[in-house]
Amino acid sequence: KQEVTQIPAALSVPEGENLVLNCSFTDSAIYNLQWFRQDPGKGLTSLLLIQSSQREQTSGRLNASLDKSSGRSTLYIAASQPGDSATYLCAVRPTDSWGKLQFGAGTQVVVTP
Amino acid sequence: DAGVIQSPRHEVTEMGQEVTLRCKPISGHNSLFWYRQTMMRGLELLIYFNNNVPIDDSGMPEDRFSAKMPNASFSTLKIQPSEPRDSAVYFCASSLWPPDREWTGELFFGEGSRLTVL
Repeated sequence: KQEVTQIPAALSVPEGENLVLNCSFTDSAIYNLQWFRQDPGKGLTSLLLIQSSQREQTSGRLNASLDKSSGRSTLYIAASQPGDSATYLCAVRPTDSWGKLQFGAGTQVVVTP
Repeated sequence: DAGVIQSPRHEVTEMGQEVTLRCKPISGHNSLFWYRQTMMRGLELLIYFNNNVPIDDSGMPEDRFSAKMPNASFSTLKIQPSEPRDSAVYFCASSLWPPDREWTGELFFGEGSRLTVL
């Protein structure tokens, strides 16, 4: 059974520092991996989607890498801002289940001014 | 453009009562997903539909839960009778699965319905 783990569960950094968020998964048979952001009391917003054939994806200050063979993905957020404070979740789409994304528990990030 | 719309945003009810949660997906999307989020279990997929047809309901906890999608623009999740352990945030998400291409898996979430069962 696919398991997705995000460590640490919480992270606090001063404004301007780069953020590094980790996601690991146990089964490398995936179509893709997504990173989401969730603000308190809100739904999830998709940030980046990396196909299994890709090594990384970039959008603005965000960069996500994927090492499928080792079961790891990393989300980098450059020059963090207080507005980046949120919970970040990763989710993998297993190849044996069309619609079932498997989510990690998330990393709660606080960026202090 | 309007995103996924869920109602009600908050629901407080007493054990044993029927609860109905509603979802309007993004226009043009043909796949709809119901998730439940709790502190203990995180995000769990309950059921998903493709072209209004339920594809996999193996995540529905028990027979007290039912979901329908009578048309492309509306879905309901019903809990009858409700129990305190059903307290959670219920999310609806929609996606576009082109019939002639591989599905990307990108999901668009609503803001959720927070259910409290006393």
